[in-house]
Amino acid sequence: QKEVEQNSGPLSVPEGAIASLNCTYSDRVSQSFFWYRQYSGKSPELIMSIYSNGDKEDGRFTAQLNKASQYVSLLIRDSQPSDSATYLCAVNKVGNTPLVFGKGTRLSVIA
Amino acid sequence: KAGVTQTPRYLIKTRGQQVTLSCSPISGHRSVSWYQQTPGQGLQFLFEYFSETQRNKGNFPGRFSGRQFSNSRSEMNVSTLELGDSALYLCASSGGSDREQFFGPGTRLTVL
Repeated sequence: QKEVEQNSGPLSVPEGAIASLNCTYSDRVSQSFFWYRQYSGKSPELIMSIYSNGDKEDGRFTAQLNKASQYVSLLIRDSQPSDSATYLCAVNKVGNTPLVFGKGTRLSVIA
Repeated sequence: KAGVTQTPRYLIKTRGQQVTLSCSPISGHRSVSWYQQTPGQGLQFLFEYFSETQRNKGNFPGRFSGRQFSNSRSEMNVSTLELGDSALYLCASSGGSDREQFFGPGTRLTVL
């Protein structure tokens, strides 16, 4: 089982819709969870961090964490064509261990 | 605050050569991590330095090495380059226990 799994996509949504991106992780002791956005040819950009169960909202983005089920998701409301990118989920297990990244989900927002 | 900077941005080398990449973290950040990104393998962790000490190491051969200086700037070196080393090399800096990492623009290495 991979440590961090994401559906590779592409996930296609129409402009204005809600995009839902999911990530599961294998290690129950994982503590910190991150979502990065990466445009083609660019480096990853941190868009959300979440550490506790529940929802965390930042503008059009909402991260949801469920440690019991070992998944973290990212919702993008009112999706825009500029949201078209690859979204990477990253997980930190304990303390100063390295982040483990999923392979990313490619999102395409259709105008 | 200035972001993470990496130099050079692009490099073309031939097999057997060696290369050194540089990363300057966000001011005040003491942790620098290096990653290799390829289309097939995604982001793979190379190593992390904190206060001039290697804190974590990924599963890469010994041809890949790094170091960190007292000002937190970091370099990574790849010796005896192979075609498979062609990739985007990213560094990320982190400043706190929350483990949030901020990436530089990357160095795209092409090995011919």
